[in-house]
Amino acid sequence: DAGITQSPRHKVTETGTPVTLRCHQTENHRYMYWYRQDPGHGLRLIHYSYGVKDTDKGEVSDGYSVSRSKTEDFLLTLESATSSQTSVYFCAIRDDRVNTEAFFGQGTRLTVV
Amino acid sequence: GQQLNQSPQSMFIQEGEDVSMNCTSSSIFNTWLWYKQDPGEGPVLLIALYKAGELTSNGRLTAQFGITRKDSFLNISASIPSDVGIYFCAGQGAGKSTFGDGTTLTVKP
Repeated sequence: DAGITQSPRHKVTETGTPVTLRCHQTENHRYMYWYRQDPGHGLRLIHYSYGVKDTDKGEVSDGYSVSRSKTEDFLLTLESATSSQTSVYFCAIRDDRVNTEAFFGQGTRLTVV
Repeated sequence: GQQLNQSPQSMFIQEGEDVSMNCTSSSIFNTWLWYKQDPGEGPVLLIALYKAGELTSNGRLTAQFGITRKDSFLNISASIPSDVGIYFCAGQGAGKSTFGDGTTLTVKP
């Protein structure tokens, strides 16, 4: 699993509240990614990071922000959660040996009520 | 954005049968990837393909990168019960991956 841990694993929050999800890695990988997965669909890229303080937007970035102040931590923040952000969120890291997202965390199931 | 069409959406097969699934795109990709996802888990990378025409195996799994760079297929031979899960293709270009919607595989003993 390349030492990826996501926290929390489950969260229920109210509409309009801020939420931060954490992805932590232990193997010093440069690239980290946040995806969301909705029922019957594949993963859609929210944001990614290619180094400390270096981030870029993905396909579905509206309503989300990220921060990476240390190599090992990549945070995803929903500034004001909406019901449309109810989803399962996955963090991934790139393995340079295969030059692609090779390792995914176990996911965070977020429910916005 | 880029779209991948993955088919079939689901498959129900008998143990021992071979399985084939594919992905097509209107866009060219530099890399094709195949993942498997078990319930409650994150995807696991099965095979990565880097060159048009490339054919790569991983045990009973074989995948090919289409010549046009717009498609890829995955074959599973002699399926077993633990093959059940959702299989995703992904095309990678400009450092980002686009995922298909998945093929759900059910294997009957």
